[in-house]
Amino acid sequence: QSALTQPPSASGSPGQSVTISCTGTSSVVAAYNYVSWYQQHPGKAPKLIIYDVTKRPSGVPDRFSGSKSGNTASLTVSGLQAEDEADYYCSSYAGRDRVFGTGTKVTVL
Amino acid sequence: QVQLQESGPGLVKPSETLSLTCTVSGGSMSNYYWSWIRQPSGKGLDYIGYIYYSGTTKYDPSLKSRVTISVDTSKNQFSLKLTSVTAADTGVYYCAREHCTSISCYMDVWGQGTTVTVSS
Repeated sequence: QSALTQPPSASGSPGQSVTISCTGTSSVVAAYNYVSWYQQHPGKAPKLIIYDVTKRPSGVPDRFSGSKSGNTASLTVSGLQAEDEADYYCSSYAGRDRVFGTGTKVTVL
Repeated sequence: QVQLQESGPGLVKPSETLSLTCTVSGGSMSNYYWSWIRQPSGKGLDYIGYIYYSGTTKYDPSLKSRVTISVDTSKNQFSLKLTSVTAADTGVYYCAREHCTSISCYMDVWGQGTTVTVSS
C-alpha cells in the first residue's frame, strides 16, 4: 500500500490547467524536499518531470510546475496540450523507504 | 548520455527465481544509486529497492525477504534476483538511476522496461 495518495483521474480542455495532489499519510512529505514527479505515457517508461518539489530537468516545458503545502505536494500542468495526456506519479519517502504515489490519469478533453 | 537497458527471461515458472540485469552505458556507475521498480499490468509503480555503486542496498520491506540486488561496476551492470515468485510478481520491471544530493533523491534515467510473466 502506497503512503502517498493521488486522485485517480484529472482532466481539462486544451489550454486549461490541471492540478494533481499527492498527500502523504504522515508528515513525510512536509518534512523533506524529496518530492519528485514522473510522467508515463502508455507502454513507455516513466520520465522525470519535477524534482526537489519545484525544479524541472532540462528539456521539460515550463508548463509543468510543482509545489508543496504542509503534507501535500502538487503538480500543475498549465496550458494543457494533447501530449500531456498520460499517467503521473509522485514519489517521496515513508520513513526511510522510497514510495510512489497511487498515480493519476490525466485526460485532455 | 547515460542509457539503461534491462535484460533477462520474459517467462519464469512459479516458485522459481526471477533474474534481471540492467546494463549502464554512456556513463559511470560511481556516486549514484541504482534502483529497480516494477509495474503490474494496468497498475501503478512499486519500488523494489536500490544499490549504491559501492554495494550498500535497501529493499522495500514487503519484498525484503525475497530480493537481492547486486552490482558489478567492472561490467557497468547491476542485477535483481527475486525468489519464490508467484503470479503477483508478473509485470514490467524497470531499472533506473537515482541521483541523490544533500537534500533529495530522484530517478533521472530509466530503462525502457522488460515484461516478466510468472506462469507454468
